[in-house]
Formats: sequence, C-alpha cells, structure tokens
Amino acid sequence: QQQVKQSPQSLIVQKGGISIINCAYENTAFDYFPWYQQFPGKGPALLIAIRPDVSEKKEGRFTISFNKSAKQFSLHIMDSQPGDSATYFCAPRMDSSYKLIFGSGTRLLVRP
Amino acid sequence: DTGVSQDPRHKITKRGQNVTFRCDPISEHNRLYWYRQTLGQGPEFLTYFQNEAQLEKSRLLSDRFSAERPKGSFSTLEIQRTEQGDSAMYLCASSPTGANTGELFFGEGSRLTVL
Repeated sequence: QQQVKQSPQSLIVQKGGISIINCAYENTAFDYFPWYQQFPGKGPALLIAIRPDVSEKKEGRFTISFNKSAKQFSLHIMDSQPGDSATYFCAPRMDSSYKLIFGSGTRLLVRP
Repeated sequence: DTGVSQDPRHKITKRGQNVTFRCDPISEHNRLYWYRQTLGQGPEFLTYFQNEAQLEKSRLLSDRFSAERPKGSFSTLEIQRTEQGDSAMYLCASSPTGANTGELFFGEGSRLTVL
C-alpha cells in the first residue's frame, strides 16, 4: 500500500514504557485517521481515531498526534502492558468510499 | 452474536479448484467490504458494496474473483481456478452508511491455503 508508510515494522518495549508508531500518507483524499489493533487469528479492530481538524486525541493510555501539513500521524501507547502485544495498523479512510487504506503494520511486543 | 461472521474459517484446496467464502455483516450495516491479508502485511482492499450494489473493485480483483451481495445482506466471494498466490486471509468488514466514526467492523477472516 504505497499510499501509506508505517514505521517501525516491529517494536519491543518493556512493561510500563512508551510505544510510538508512526504513519505517513500521501493522498489528500483521506478524511479520517484511525489506528487498528489486530491479535493473531482475529480481524483488525478499531483502537482510536482522529479527524483532520484536531491535532491530538487521547483515550486512556492511547494518544494520536496528527500533523496535517506534514501528512503524518502517530500512535502513542503510554504505560505499555503485555496485553498490548499485537500488530497495529494505521488505516486512513478515503472520503468517498469510506474504504480504509492500511499500512504494512507494526508488530509490538511488550515484555513483562 | 451480533458481529461479522465469516464461513468457512479455514479452507485448504488444490490449485485449479474453485472456492467460495461467505460473509454475514452486522444487520443494518449497508456497506460491506472485502479485504485480503497476506502474512506480515496489512489488509488490502478488494471490493465494497453499498446494499446490493458493488461500487468499487480493486485492480487486485482479477477476472477469477467475483463478489456478490444479492439482497444487500450476506455476501459471497468466489475465486475460480485458484492459484498458490491466492493463499491469504480473506477479511470481510461492514459499516453503517454515513458513519461518522469511520469504523469498519471486521470478521475473523477466512484463511485460504492453495496447495
């Protein structure tokens, strides 16, 4: 999915640490910027999302930071827990079809 | 259970055979999406429906692939003359029309292995 570049590919964090995942996009037709979480054997599930008129959104331990001019947004997981170990995808939404364009994913491992 | 359900969960087939996957979306969800996910990659969009109308198809969807949503409820994805490169997880998702949250609700997927 060339339109969306996600980094890093994998991340190892100690319990209690901060996990940061970044996403860069090119298409200006994106109108909504979610992060999805996927556990092995399951479908992706919405974690948190932000609209482009807001620069930051926080829900519990999860925060999205959005930089419209740089076409980047990031996910911060505070106080990371072993239960957060999963694959995370940025998946900006196309404004016409509402389809999501997924990044390649970040595999997060939180060590106890 | 009010989530998106997919059937079968696993399918092993020989190259050249046809396979069909079924998706039952959350009731009252007008939009239905099919994605394909290969190991270590993000889901790739294949096609989507608004009610029974198929509104967009990705170039990934070759002539061997066909999707239907006959009555605007469940959907099927058929792959004819399967190839080894078709091995993947096929994910279905649904959402209500006009959803401002942008959330797609995904099923657990149908994993296809082509021998």
